[in-house]
Amino acid sequence: ILNVEQSPQSLHVQEGDSTNFTCSFPSSNFYALHWYRWETAKSPEALFVMTLNGDEKKKGRISATLNTKEGYSYLYIKGSQPEDSATYLCASSNAGNNRKLIWGLGTSLAVNP
Amino acid sequence: EAGVAQSPRYKIIEKRQSVAFWCNPISGHATLYWYQQILGQGPKLLIQFQNNGVVDDSQLPKDRFSAERLKGVDSTLKIQPAKLEDSAVYLCASSYTGGRTGELFFGEGSRLTVL
Repeated sequence: ILNVEQSPQSLHVQEGDSTNFTCSFPSSNFYALHWYRWETAKSPEALFVMTLNGDEKKKGRISATLNTKEGYSYLYIKGSQPEDSATYLCASSNAGNNRKLIWGLGTSLAVNP
Repeated sequence: EAGVAQSPRYKIIEKRQSVAFWCNPISGHATLYWYQQILGQGPKLLIQFQNNGVVDDSQLPKDRFSAERLKGVDSTLKIQPAKLEDSAVYLCASSYTGGRTGELFFGEGSRLTVL
């Protein structure tokens, strides 16, 4: 994988459903993996920055895992709420190239009340 | 702590006109980024500053885009002349250099519409 790929592109769930997204990234010379949430008309907000293989991070109902050897990260939202509606972006960097972040296209989540 | 400030929030211009965006990063953040985000695409890095020096401007269309950060604090991004394909959200972000995480703090963006 040369680019950062996110799936699905968009997702519609009902309030209370749990959901997850995938981010695939180049595993060669991995440095860091970022997850951001971008709500409409607001600024993108960092959720997690992960660097270690096998790492798991949690913030409230949102958690993320990281597999640097196979080049993927999962973002989980437990019990989705309407306020979780946003675009979720991931970006990865490698140790070379000035640790420049390469961004995915995002997963657009809509939570219906 | 004040966040990243950007202005204007919205701008509508006609093609071939010029436009400038301003960004004030979080105090103490040495690294400043300008991103272009076109609808349906991921953010594209236009330019990255470290203090007042340019680290990466490989994707900046230099024939029409320019950016400066003269005193290593706030920054301006200019487009002259604008094209229809420049319609996008221009995001400014800053980060504290020295930490391993490199977490970016974003402004609310400047939405440009070119008619």
